[in-house]
Amino acid sequence: QKEVEQNSGPLSVPEGAIASLNCTYSDRGSQSFFWYRQYSGKSPELIMFIYSNGDKEDGRFTAQLNKASQYVSLLIRDSQPSDSATYLCAVNSRANQAGTALIFGKGTTLSVSS
Amino acid sequence: NAGVTQTPKFRILKIGQSMTLQCTQDMNHNYMYWYRQDPGMGLKLIYYSVGAGITDKGEVPNGYNVSRSTTEDFPLRLELAAPSQTSVYFCASSYSKGETQYFGPGTRLLVL
Repeated sequence: QKEVEQNSGPLSVPEGAIASLNCTYSDRGSQSFFWYRQYSGKSPELIMFIYSNGDKEDGRFTAQLNKASQYVSLLIRDSQPSDSATYLCAVNSRANQAGTALIFGKGTTLSVSS
Repeated sequence: NAGVTQTPKFRILKIGQSMTLQCTQDMNHNYMYWYRQDPGMGLKLIYYSVGAGITDKGEVPNGYNVSRSTTEDFPLRLELAAPSQTSVYFCASSYSKGETQYFGPGTRLLVL
């Protein structure tokens, strides 16, 4: 069974700091990686995705991939209280879990204090 | 585009009742999914569809049924509601397998 693991948190950071969220995956053949943000009581929304060929920066968010160690990270610079949410990592697995090929972690809760 | 829409937003059912959760997408996506999310437990796939007329079971299909008669609609049917089905249900869609999934706003279901 292919898996995606995340530390459930909560991860607490002060406003303006860098928040670092990590996710490990078991399928070495995975080639695309997604980060979703989910506010309490709301649905997951895509923040960004990366492919296995490189990292990606979008505004205050940077997604990085370490293929050798099989983990993906999401860095949030200048964290704001509005970033407080649960962050879900999802990985495209060749193992074809139930045909969707996208496996979700359980999420890490981030709390940014002002 | 409205994206993925779900109805109802909230429903209370009595044990043994039946209901259908509606899901519609206007992005012409082939793939559609139903997830349930329990507190602290992440998303669990119930059923998915790769196109009209084609559906398959996910991780937790027991107690649920689906149909996909059109590209746009993917309803989820609960036949005999049980307290264990109390959860938040999300519908999602994607253009193809392994690509970004876009989620609807969710349906909160309480079975008493």
